[in-house]
Amino acid sequence: DTEVTQTPKHLVMGMTNKKSLKCEQHMGHRAMYWYKQKAKKPPELMFVYSYEKLSINESVPSRFSPECPNSSLLNLHLHALQPEDSALYLCASRPGAYNSPLHFGNGTRLTVT
Amino acid sequence: AQRVTQPEKLLSVFKGAPVELKCNYSYSGSPELFWYVQYSRQRLQLLLRHISRESIKGFTADLNKGETSFHLKKPFAQEEDSAMYYCALRGGSEKLVFGKGTKLTVNP
Repeated sequence: DTEVTQTPKHLVMGMTNKKSLKCEQHMGHRAMYWYKQKAKKPPELMFVYSYEKLSINESVPSRFSPECPNSSLLNLHLHALQPEDSALYLCASRPGAYNSPLHFGNGTRLTVT
Repeated sequence: AQRVTQPEKLLSVFKGAPVELKCNYSYSGSPELFWYVQYSRQRLQLLLRHISRESIKGFTADLNKGETSFHLKKPFAQEEDSAMYYCALRGGSEKLVFGKGTKLTVNP
């Protein structure tokens, strides 16, 4: 399996809902990432987990809560989101070697109503 | 601080013409540089990285530390090259920073 798999593909949620995004990879990669991408904009880094520990949090609001239950799984828990949080949420992973690239999933298209 | 600048938001060329997508970076150490491509309705995928010095789909990119540039070039553009191209930099940590991207359109 050489892919990063994200579920669901689409999600519509109200501002009072609680939902979770899921990301899975079975390539043995040790770093996993969450990015947010608005339309016609580059991906913006949110969180990085390295060896299942949170290593980077780019000052993301607490309504986004990441979780890395094991080396293959990465979740993003969502609560009390705002309409401006609507975006494509991308998960990525990479092995630890120098200059190793990120492998991206297809993303979850999130709409907050 | 890490910064990537792609000065051209849009680039349009005719099929068979040479194409160069510019990328300049700012980083005080030794950077790891990448080009990613996003075709319509497809996932973001790696095109090139500076360490490999290979040609992928006819594209090449050379790291010029003196000019802090990592421009992407192809001698003869094809219609299927039309896509969004992002230059990205990682500098000494797990953080990968993207430029704003250049939308390339290759006209028939």
